[in-house]
Amino acid sequence: GPKVLQIPSHQIIDMGQMVTLNCDPVSNHLYFYWYKQILGQQMEFLVNFYNGKVMEKSKLFKDQFSVERPDGSYFTLKIQPTALEDSAVYFCASSLFGNGEQYFGPGTRLTVL
Amino acid sequence: QQKVQQSPESLIVPEGGMASLNCTSSDRNVDYFWWYRQHSGKSPKMLMSIFSNGEKEEGRFTVHLNKASLHTSLHIRDSQPSDSALYLCAASMQAGGYKVVFGSGTRLLVSP
Repeated sequence: GPKVLQIPSHQIIDMGQMVTLNCDPVSNHLYFYWYKQILGQQMEFLVNFYNGKVMEKSKLFKDQFSVERPDGSYFTLKIQPTALEDSAVYFCASSLFGNGEQYFGPGTRLTVL
Repeated sequence: QQKVQQSPESLIVPEGGMASLNCTSSDRNVDYFWWYRQHSGKSPKMLMSIFSNGEKEEGRFTVHLNKASLHTSLHIRDSQPSDSALYLCAASMQAGGYKVVFGSGTRLLVSP
């Protein structure tokens, strides 16, 4: 079936550094999402993105977070600067329609030391 | 702020039994509900979606939706050990820019 790829699978960085998480969504999909999941806990919506713009973001999407998808390449989540509480698994997802099935990537496990 | 409540938090059913999971949204404007399954250490995979009142069946899985009460339920018949996973309910609104809110999940264990 359709696959979403995420790079890297695991990232360890020091608090205060910048990190960019990369997502390669399903090729014909139009809607893109980032979620945060702390181990074993709830899946939390961060942001969704369509037609080059952020559509909605949650309170978890702090000012230090930004997303972009330049020229149809990777859909990225940048955190600058990182904080200890940013440690989590970040899942990217994509869908063809706004109310369509979302396909999730395997996640990037971010550890902030 | 929209909340999605799931119950029970955890559930144990014997192999071959029926598992019933519940989900309710607090926001009357919700248009869409999904059920996802997440095995440990993996990403969620969509099981079923439901947008209209009524029932939908796919194989061993049946989902119900009552839009008046904003309640959806997932039923798994002939449960298998491979069904053991975290089941996540999600809801979104077109008017809300398709922002998706997940419940905290029901952890299902199917005992052989």
